[in-house]
Amino acid sequence: EVQLVESGGGLVQPGGSLRLSCAASGFTFSSYYMSWVRQAPGKGLEWVANIKQDGSEKYYVDSLKGRFTISRDNAKNSLYLQMNSLRTEDTAVYYCARGRAAIDYWGQGTLVTVSS
Amino acid sequence: SYELTQPPSVSVSPGQTARITCSGDALPKKYAYWFQQKSGQAPVLVIYEDSKRPSGIPERFSGSSSGTMATLTISGAQVEDEGDYYCYSTDSSGNHWVFGGGTKLTVL
Repeated sequence: EVQLVESGGGLVQPGGSLRLSCAASGFTFSSYYMSWVRQAPGKGLEWVANIKQDGSEKYYVDSLKGRFTISRDNAKNSLYLQMNSLRTEDTAVYYCARGRAAIDYWGQGTLVTVSS
Repeated sequence: SYELTQPPSVSVSPGQTARITCSGDALPKKYAYWFQQKSGQAPVLVIYEDSKRPSGIPERFSGSSSGTMATLTISGAQVEDEGDYYCYSTDSSGNHWVFGGGTKLTVL
C-alpha cells in the first residue's frame, strides 16, 4: 500500500524556518518525481515545487523567490521541504504528492502556521 | 506567471450533466489534469492527460480539450460528486506547474 506521511509542520514566527519531511512507503520511491502542494485555509491548491527522481532537477513556483528548497533522500525514501524567511501568507496545509503531472497519491498534509 | 481560469461554481440537479471548464494559453500543447477534493480530504486525480480516467474513477467522469480550453464533464452527476474540482497543467516550458482556482460543484 502506498503511503506518504508528512511531518514537521507547526507554529512558527514570521521570518522563521521549518523543515517538512515526507516518509514514503509501498512503492519504489527513487522511480518517481515528487511534488509539494499547499493549500491555505479556505483557499485553492497551489503547486509549490517538484524534484526529479535522482534530485538533479528541481522546480519551484516563481512567487517563492528562493525561500524554499526541495530535496530528497532516496536511501531513506524521504522527501523534504526546507522553508526559510517564512511569511504569514505561507500559512497552509502542505501536501507531499507522488508524481509531477498525474499525481496519484497524496499525503494527509501537515499544517504550517506562520504567526507572531 | 501562467494562469489557469475556472468558474468559481457550477450547480446541477442530480442526474444532470455538469461541465467544468479550464482555460489557459498553453493548453493547446500541454495536457490538463483534473482533481476532485472533498471537504477535509486530500485531492483525488479523476482525469489525466486531458481525457484518460484512472482506475477506480466512475465512467461518468470524462475529459476533453480543445484549443485553450479543457473541460471536465460529469454525466449524470451524483450527490456524492459534490466538492471542489481543480484543473492542473504546466506552462509552455513544461517546468512550472499551476492549479486553476478551483470550481465548487453543487449537486442538489
